[in-house]
Amino acid sequence: KAGVTQTPRYLIKTRGQQVTLSCSPISGHRSVSWYQQTPGQGLQFLFEYFSETQRNKGNFPGRFSGRQFSNSRSEMNVSTLELGDSALYLCASSPQGRTGELFFGEGSRLTVL
Amino acid sequence: GENVEQHPSTLSVQEGDSAVIKCTYSDSASNYFPWYKQELGKRPQLIIDIRSNVGEKKDQRIAVTLNKTAKHFSLHITETQPEDSAVYFCAWSEGGGNKLTFGTGTQLKVEL
Repeated sequence: KAGVTQTPRYLIKTRGQQVTLSCSPISGHRSVSWYQQTPGQGLQFLFEYFSETQRNKGNFPGRFSGRQFSNSRSEMNVSTLELGDSALYLCASSPQGRTGELFFGEGSRLTVL
Repeated sequence: GENVEQHPSTLSVQEGDSAVIKCTYSDSASNYFPWYKQELGKRPQLIIDIRSNVGEKKDQRIAVTLNKTAKHFSLHITETQPEDSAVYFCAWSEGGGNKLTFGTGTQLKVEL
């Protein structure tokens, strides 16, 4: 069974631009979560989607948004990029009935110049 | 928000020794405590977890203990090997979804 796939793996943007990251969960997993990883703040929860509905949301500004499609694939968008948004964005999927067990993708490394 | 304190931040042991990492959480409603291992440049991977109705869980060389009264849980690795070298993160969840709060991480180095 294929793992969680994230695209793109690396990207460079400039301040003020926007970015969209994509995540394909493990087949059969309906929950998709997004985390931001930085050296200073560690792993921080962004949001979780389940059956196309946002189920949980972290403490990030409204510039960070996401959505989930009917095939469970998910996207997250960051608008008006700031230097501090440079990070590794990790997507994780979780099987139903095993709350909290996350299977992470390799991540999308975003650099904002 | 709730915090998870994780100690130590770095840990160096000799191959074959044991390693212990401890986390303290603040929300008494928390009921799920996983540990993730992240090798350099790789994704975090779940290595062991424990739920609040259990005090200890073991899987080969790794074990996790939970003390709900004191609000802390620990990861124990015995007979450490070089491939155990990685960053280890504790986390907790209060259930109802997959929102995890992570600790700050422990860089474990197993020296030959």
